[in-house]
Amino acid sequence: RKEVEQDPGPFNVPEGATVAFNCTYSNSASQSFFWYRQDCRKEPKLLMSVYSSGNEDGRFTAQLNRASQYISLLIRDSKLSDSATYLCVVRGRGSTLGRLYFGRGTQLTVWP
Amino acid sequence: EAGVAQSPRYKIIEKRQSVAFWCNPISGHATLYWYQQILGQGPKLLIQFQNNGVVDDSQLPKDRFSAERLKGVDSTLKIQPAKLEDSAVYLCASRGLGGGLWNEQFFGPGTRLTVL
Repeated sequence: RKEVEQDPGPFNVPEGATVAFNCTYSNSASQSFFWYRQDCRKEPKLLMSVYSSGNEDGRFTAQLNRASQYISLLIRDSKLSDSATYLCVVRGRGSTLGRLYFGRGTQLTVWP
Repeated sequence: EAGVAQSPRYKIIEKRQSVAFWCNPISGHATLYWYQQILGQGPKLLIQFQNNGVVDDSQLPKDRFSAERLKGVDSTLKIQPAKLEDSAVYLCASRGLGGGLWNEQFFGPGTRLTVL
């Protein structure tokens, strides 16, 4: 079983739409969770960390459900510039040296 | 602040040839990572260094891949001999000490390897 599972999509939505991505992780000892964004042929960049209480950054909201080992990302009022691949990332154990596990990514295309 | 530097950006080789990639992390970052990203997949860790010591190389195919970070700064990843399935983007990342469990990894632009 993979450490992090994501629906690869693709998701194709119009500008202004709300879209949600989900992922699940297998290691219940994981303590750090992230969403990274990767533009086509570019390197991944941190979008936001995911905290236990849930957190919001502008149009982006991340949620964590430890009991279900489930992470979500909600994007409101989608912009053309949101088109990218969104990677769900989990640190494998509760250590600053713990390996990061990446999901395969969910591809989003926002159309005018 | 300069980011993570990698070279070359692109490399095309034939199978059974050797290739080497170079990475210079962000200044002061003690932790350095090499990832392999195959098309359509997320990055997979190959090796992690803390200063010049190896922390995790459990997913490095050691029969053909090697990496070093001799002075705890820049690093080299080598493949010898290359196979067709090694075609991928090789990403280097680095991380500083602050932030604990939440501190960010910064990625370089990657080296796109094609093995023919």
